[in-house]
Amino acid sequence: GQNIDQPTEMTATEGAIVQINCTYQTSGFNGLFWYQQHAGEAPTFLSYNVLDGLEEKGRFSSFLSRSKGYSYLLLKELQMKDSASYLCAVLDSNYQLIWGAGTKLIIKP
Amino acid sequence: DADVTQTPRNRITKTGKRIMLECSQTKGHDRMYWYRQDPGLGLRLIYYSFDVKDINKGEISDGYSVSRQAQAKFSLSLESAIPNQTALYFCATSSQADTGELFFGEGSRLTVL
Repeated sequence: GQNIDQPTEMTATEGAIVQINCTYQTSGFNGLFWYQQHAGEAPTFLSYNVLDGLEEKGRFSSFLSRSKGYSYLLLKELQMKDSASYLCAVLDSNYQLIWGAGTKLIIKP
Repeated sequence: DADVTQTPRNRITKTGKRIMLECSQTKGHDRMYWYRQDPGLGLRLIYYSFDVKDINKGEISDGYSVSRQAQAKFSLSLESAIPNQTALYFCATSSQADTGELFFGEGSRLTVL
């Protein structure tokens, strides 16, 4: 079966750095996506990785290792507004998105 | 105004009632999707459509039906609602070139008593 694993919840301190991991086992791979979802709101697109390596976009970076079936989302200089759930999703061989359950990130002052 | 609009945003109904959730978009995208989200679970795909004449079942289509009335409109129906269909429902769109980058509506929270 297809499976995406990410931690259920993480806590970090304002101004610090946090890394949210995602491991996947899917039938084929056509890219990995990270989305941010604030409580009660719609998910919004954060990043896309299809090749191995690090993609940086401001305070957020996303890393991919296809051989290990592994990705992480790195958030730097955490702000209170970063409190949200972060969803990892993989585009499989049929170009269908397979979603993880999401990681709820709690930021403390 | 939102690019992807869902109505109603909240609905409480009773078991056995027919419910329709509507979605309209102004992004000009051909691809539209209906997902449900439950606590502790990932987004699960109910139905998707790649153009007006194309309708496909997703992972959990049983108990649901859809209609693609136009490029911009995609409706989800629950013919006879049951309590385990209580969930947050999202409509989403994508362009053909960016299949993994979805644009979501604000969600429709449905409660079936």
